[in-house]
Amino acid sequence: RKEVEQDPGPFNVPEGATVAFNCTYSNSASQSFFWYRQDCRKEPKLLMSVYSSGNEDGRFTAQLNRASQYISLLIRDSKLSDSATYLCVLRTGGGNKLTFGTGTQLKVEL
Amino acid sequence: EAQVTQNPRYLITVTGKKLTVTCSQNMNHEYMSWYRQDPGLGLRQIYYSMNVEVTDKGDVPEGYKVSRKEKRNFPLILESPSPNQTSLYFCASSPYRRGATDTQYFGPGTRLTVL
Repeated sequence: RKEVEQDPGPFNVPEGATVAFNCTYSNSASQSFFWYRQDCRKEPKLLMSVYSSGNEDGRFTAQLNRASQYISLLIRDSKLSDSATYLCVLRTGGGNKLTFGTGTQLKVEL
Repeated sequence: EAQVTQNPRYLITVTGKKLTVTCSQNMNHEYMSWYRQDPGLGLRQIYYSMNVEVTDKGDVPEGYKVSRKEKRNFPLILESPSPNQTSLYFCASSPYRRGATDTQYFGPGTRLTVL
């Protein structure tokens, strides 16, 4: 089983839609969780950290479910500019290493 | 402007010809890392460095070398490149606080093709 698993998509949604992605992880010792965004052929950039209590940043909401070992990202009122690949990232153990998922591709259409 | 720079951005080379990809950051970050990204495999860590003169292997270190003689620079060296090292490479840096790496800042990427 992969350490981090994501549905590759693509998720094709109309502008204004709400879309959610999940990411499952296998190592229960994973300590920190993040969502990164990557535009085509560009560098990944941190979108948001994921906290145990859940957290929101504007139209984006991230949640962590430790019991079921998954994190989620919810995007409300999708914009064309949200089209990108969303990478699930986690840190395990002593904190020296990040493990990246392969990403979920989102395409927001008119 | 705070940034991570990589050079070259694009490189086509031939098997066996040694090459170096430079990485530099101006944020005084302790932690630096190299990743490669391949379709269907995501980003995989090659090497990382906790500070000057401290480096360690990541998940896929074979065929690569690194050095960290200065805090700002972390070059990636391919002594004898092979076609399976054709990939998109990213350098990243982050501050090292509370015993754990913080947000990683990525360079723009280097697209390497080995013929």
